[in-house]
Amino acid sequence: QSVLTQPPSVSGAPGRRVIISCTGSSSNIGAAYDVHWYQHLPGTAPKLLIYGNTNRPSGVPDRFSGSKSGTSASLAITGLQAEDEADYYCQSYDSSLNVSVFGGGTKLTVL
Amino acid sequence: QVQLQESGPGLVKPSQTLSLTCSVSGGSISSGDDYWSWIRQHPGKGLEWIGYIYYSGSTYYNPSLRSRTIITVDTSKNQFSLKLRSVTVADTAVYYCASGRGAGDWFDPWGQGTLVTVSS
Repeated sequence: QSVLTQPPSVSGAPGRRVIISCTGSSSNIGAAYDVHWYQHLPGTAPKLLIYGNTNRPSGVPDRFSGSKSGTSASLAITGLQAEDEADYYCQSYDSSLNVSVFGGGTKLTVL
Repeated sequence: QVQLQESGPGLVKPSQTLSLTCSVSGGSISSGDDYWSWIRQHPGKGLEWIGYIYYSGSTYYNPSLRSRTIITVDTSKNQFSLKLRSVTVADTAVYYCASGRGAGDWFDPWGQGTLVTVSS
């Protein structure tokens, strides 16, 4: 059971918008620790999508955006494309466990 | 651009020691900015951070794995390594190495991962 909770799957049609949630607690996201997001295709290296809640690394399209409020964070993907089909993970830090923690991952299907 | 690549046996017997190495290219492991981490993903499950090492040799481990984990660095080879003692089938996972900036910070880049199966 992951410390951060994500929906197992989301889906959307090409061109539409989807949101992936990441719910934590008062010892991680709620304690003002940053949330980061990764895109992962099985068999490849996970790719950093969003860091520090809202920031995109160079090369990541602005179709990807992150937000955070209270004990939760969200990743929004607009203008869905077939190439966006992947697993997405959130990550933060937990002060009671003293480790970086991850969500269980969300599989995005582009219909 | 820094790249990481994991290597090591894909099959380990129960009670033995899992040993993996991460080779860093395109940059120096001694740059001083990065903490070098190991992260694993059990089949069908989420990600679990194992621990990190700084180029000076200082380490920090996940308390849940601390008693069985050793991470070392070889700056002359630009590599860092993971040893996990007394493995069981529960240690079967894809093991990733990754670069980070410290506790709470993001990991970037990652290696592509290597599957280690614990089985007799």
